Amino acid sequence: AQKVTQAQTEISVVEKEDVTLDCVYETRDTTYYLFWYKQPPSGELVFLIRRNSFDEQNEISGRYSWNFQKSTSSFNFTITASQVVDSAVYFCALIQRNTGFQKLVFGTGTRLLVSP
Amino acid sequence: GAVVSQHPSWVICKSGTSVKIECRSLDFQATTMFWYRQFPKQSLMLMATSNEGSKATYEQGVEKDKFLINHASLTLSTLTVTSAHPEDSSFYICSARWDTYEQYFGPGTRLTVT
Repeated sequence: AQKVTQAQTEISVVEKEDVTLDCVYETRDTTYYLFWYKQPPSGELVFLIRRNSFDEQNEISGRYSWNFQKSTSSFNFTITASQVVDSAVYFCALIQRNTGFQKLVFGTGTRLLVSP
Repeated sequence: GAVVSQHPSWVICKSGTSVKIECRSLDFQATTMFWYRQFPKQSLMLMATSNEGSKATYEQGVEKDKFLINHASLTLSTLTVTSAHPEDSSFYICSARWDTYEQYFGPGTRLTVT
């Protein structure tokens, strides 16, 4: 079975604050990929990052950074110096080899509201 | 590259009518396409997976006769909601892929059934 848990339903911050979105996953497979997507009010999913199960290196892209820790089955996402444009729903997702990489399972999402 | 379009972007229909949503891969050939449904303030749930030229595989709890999926070519999949009812109102998103795990998402179609 595969499962993704995003315990934070909604987070509100003031612009320029740092914010971390948590993602905990469950899988029995050894080969899997984790994703983060952003969904602005328009509804279109925006791909942010992909990580495979064999690469635990953290990644930084501008104000975004990701911390992947297999020991705790977590793939957390941090936005540094948040901006109003970061307001959106963020989804963490998992896909694994034993489904033929067919079934992408999403977490319930975290709504981020950044106020000026 | 890897652009997926959906048409229409939004549709309003009357209860009991059918509505068709198209999903196209614009710059690649999609061997597999996926359909998701998203209710307001909820997550995306996979409805079905379709491979070109074969019947779609539906997730548990999704009515095959209500949500007809056709994947007739490598660039087009359609989802037809038959005899739509207000509870079918939702945001429908398709995705497509070729031979990797990566799925490319369309912009979504908002269906409102009155």
